[in-house]
Amino acid sequence: DGGITQSPKYLFRKEGQNVTLSCEQNLNHDAMYWYRQDPGQGLRLIYYSQIVNDFQKGDIAEGYSVSREKKESFPLTVTSAQKNPTAFYLCASSREGDYQPQHFGDGTRLSIL
Amino acid sequence: QKEVEQNSGPLSVPEGAIASLNCTYSDRGSQSFFWYRQYSGKSPELIMSIYSNGDKEDGRFTAQLNKASQYVSLLIRDSQPSDSATYLCAVNIETAGTASKLTFGTGTRLQVTL
Repeated sequence: DGGITQSPKYLFRKEGQNVTLSCEQNLNHDAMYWYRQDPGQGLRLIYYSQIVNDFQKGDIAEGYSVSREKKESFPLTVTSAQKNPTAFYLCASSREGDYQPQHFGDGTRLSIL
Repeated sequence: QKEVEQNSGPLSVPEGAIASLNCTYSDRGSQSFFWYRQYSGKSPELIMSIYSNGDKEDGRFTAQLNKASQYVSLLIRDSQPSDSATYLCAVNIETAGTASKLTFGTGTRLQVTL
């Protein structure tokens, strides 16, 4: 089945630690996105990528980094510089073009130990 | 700042009734509009997309778009308890090359009561 796989489902970070969230898609989508969702709030865009080896900052990129070495994969690293990382992280992908909907993975819930 | 606004709710409707969810957006240049359903603790699921003024129906769901008034709505007919969820409105507010960059509202929580 085609879809977007995020792992792990739950992740715990210690103070001063970098953690990496995985996102893999087999939908052959060109664009991929990372969002953060806090309780009772909407989705906020962290980073997005239109093509391999290219990515752009979203609205809240500080404290995060990404890479796009393969079309299928768009991992997100939450660095120690992100002081409030506890949130629900969602990865999405879409076909090329403005009119395309985004499809989401199941999400990763990150908490601080 | 370009925005998408939704009433947070909760919107409570009895089983079998019509639920009406509304969304307004700030950018007149927006071209594509989406409704996502998000159950508690789960990820958003696309349920409707609409691009032209008027109504678009899919089963019990109808999306309505009025670009002149800058609002988009979602009607759910014959509401069921399983429809109880948060509904997110998403609008393609700015172009981003080939990416479909969306701005999301904060969502309306719908409760369907027995």
